[in-house]
Amino acid sequence: DTEVTQTPKHLVMGMTNKKSLKCEQHMGHRAMYWYKQKAKKPPELMFVYSYEKLSINESVPSRFSPECPNSSLLNLHLHALQPEDSALYLCASSQDYLNEQFFGPGTRLTVL
Amino acid sequence: GQQVMQIPQYQHVQEGEDFTTYCNSSTTLSNIQWYKQRPGGHPVFLIQLVKSGEVKKQKRLTFQFGEAKKNSSLHITATQTTDVGTYFCAGPGTNAGKSTFGDGTTLTVKP
Repeated sequence: DTEVTQTPKHLVMGMTNKKSLKCEQHMGHRAMYWYKQKAKKPPELMFVYSYEKLSINESVPSRFSPECPNSSLLNLHLHALQPEDSALYLCASSQDYLNEQFFGPGTRLTVL
Repeated sequence: GQQVMQIPQYQHVQEGEDFTTYCNSSTTLSNIQWYKQRPGGHPVFLIQLVKSGEVKKQKRLTFQFGEAKKNSSLHITATQTTDVGTYFCAGPGTNAGKSTFGDGTTLTVKP
């Protein structure tokens, strides 16, 4: 299995909702990432987990809360988001931190 | 902090013409990676360059890493419509800092 899966594909939520994005990989990769991508912009790193520990938090607002339950799973919990948080949220994994990354298809998030 | 700049931002070519995108870093890179993102898709890893002056080829794609490990290029010979997409370089710093994506070059190919 050489793919990264993400659910849901699309998500529409209000500013008071709580939702979660999920990411899974079965390649035995030890590093997992969350990126945010706005239209016509590069992916912007949010969080990095290495060996199931949070190693990088790019000063992301606390309304985004990552979680790594095990080496194959990565979640992003969302609460009280703002309309400007609407974007494509990409999960990626790599063998180790800074190796080539395999990206999932992303979750298209719209905050109303 | 580290910046990775990529030019041009957009490139429109006629099918069969060549295409090149350039990536420049403000700091020395331990390696550089190239990704392609098709419209509506997600980034897909193309290649990683590690050695100073390294050149790698994948069919019509040629990747180069500069001698000073601060710049890189991707050259596509005789573009095809399947080459359409945005090409990103990504480079971690030599101090194992975070991987930074360039702004990308969006290629359109007119048949």
